[in-house]
Amino acid sequence: DSGVTQTPKHLITATGQRVTLRCSPRSGDLSVYWYQQSLDQGLQFLIQYYNGEERAKGNILERFSAQQFPDLHSELNLSSLELGDSALYFCASSPGTSGVGEQFFGPGTRLTVL
Amino acid sequence: DQQVKQNSPSLSVQEGRISILNCDYTNSMFDYFLWYKKYPAEGPTFLISISSIKDKNEDGRFTVFLNKSAKHLSLHIVPSQPGDSAVYFCAARGIGTYKYIFGTGTRLKVLA
Repeated sequence: DSGVTQTPKHLITATGQRVTLRCSPRSGDLSVYWYQQSLDQGLQFLIQYYNGEERAKGNILERFSAQQFPDLHSELNLSSLELGDSALYFCASSPGTSGVGEQFFGPGTRLTVL
Repeated sequence: DQQVKQNSPSLSVQEGRISILNCDYTNSMFDYFLWYKKYPAEGPTFLISISSIKDKNEDGRFTVFLNKSAKHLSLHIVPSQPGDSAVYFCAARGIGTYKYIFGTGTRLKVLA
């Protein structure tokens, strides 16, 4: 158990809908990262937050947005969903902002868009 | 454009033998490399890392080698155990960034 929790575990929705994925980092970790893993693909970095502020952006679509709240939990919002958004979405956390060193991953949320 | 590549999608090794997982990168602007292991239905877990100023790092049965001139990274597991069966991802961090770029993974199967 990494100490990172993600809810829900599974999500099935229809095209055009909007969903929110939630992540609680390990106690004391200030950085949260979001990744997308599509079928047979590596983990694609989406975005990083540190102590409530956005620190780095990867290949995140404009239809996607994220935020980190004062209690350090984070949410990833996916809107106008398309079939291709079906994937595993992982959240990871780490203590600092530099990103050097390991990240602790949650178990992921599997999103299926029908 | 995949900057971090794991060209072998799968690998099978006998228990007790050495497992060698490979990773190639195309960008010289990486300063830190990591290996993660992933079991089904779980998130990746950190295994071992190496800074770009080193060429080897060892932790128990796991050793990571970095060949900067070849832009090649490898993970050696000796001896391999059935519990090592998992998907292994290499990841690289861009210099001065907070972004890690992951490879597509290699599925290792250790046969008892």
